[in-house]
Amino acid sequence: AQSVTQLGSHVSVSEGALVLLRCNYSSSVPPYLFWYVQYPNQGLQLLLKYTSAATLVKGINGFEAEFKKSETSFHLTKPSAHMSDAAEYFCAVSERGGGTSYGKLTFGQGTILTVHP
Amino acid sequence: EAGVTQSPTHLIKTRGQQATLRCSPISGHTSVYWYQQALGLGLQFLLWYDEGEERNRGNFPPRFSGRQFPNYSSELNVNALELEDSALYLCASSLGMRATNEKLFFGSGTQLSVL
Repeated sequence: AQSVTQLGSHVSVSEGALVLLRCNYSSSVPPYLFWYVQYPNQGLQLLLKYTSAATLVKGINGFEAEFKKSETSFHLTKPSAHMSDAAEYFCAVSERGGGTSYGKLTFGQGTILTVHP
Repeated sequence: EAGVTQSPTHLIKTRGQQATLRCSPISGHTSVYWYQQALGLGLQFLLWYDEGEERNRGNFPPRFSGRQFPNYSSELNVNALELEDSALYLCASSLGMRATNEKLFFGSGTQLSVL
């Protein structure tokens, strides 16, 4: 069974500061890993996805995440926070290989990012 | 290109009633997924349809059901509504089982309130 743990339900940073959102996963097989962002009253938007190519994945809006197998982690970072980054961020995992697991994402509980001016 | 569209945006029902939620996938996508985002419970996988068939189901009771139409749009039906069914229901679509890119595109959701 898969699971995702996001450390910290709330993270607060100043504008221009480093953003670090933590995600650890548990999976019996090498997983696909995702970060999604949800703005108020909107659906989820894919930020980036890891599928076993490069371990450092670059996404939209200046975000990137690094897959570390030894730490079972997939932390999301952005060098300089912007006010528009304020949102809720979800880490998710799915099994490889398709089949009935295709599209069945297991989400973390989410981290609300607040950016102060 | 139109994204995933869901209707209605908001739905208010009373306990015991039935709710029907609708989803139109992105053009060319054959897979539709339903997720429930309830307060305190996070995002939970509900159902997956591809090419008109139910392919997988999450840990929800049978009163949660749905279908996918020939044009790949989908309905989610919730019968005998309970207060705890109040949640944001998100629909997502993807290219489907034949694609190797497991990228889901989400709609803005239907906020279901059960009174």
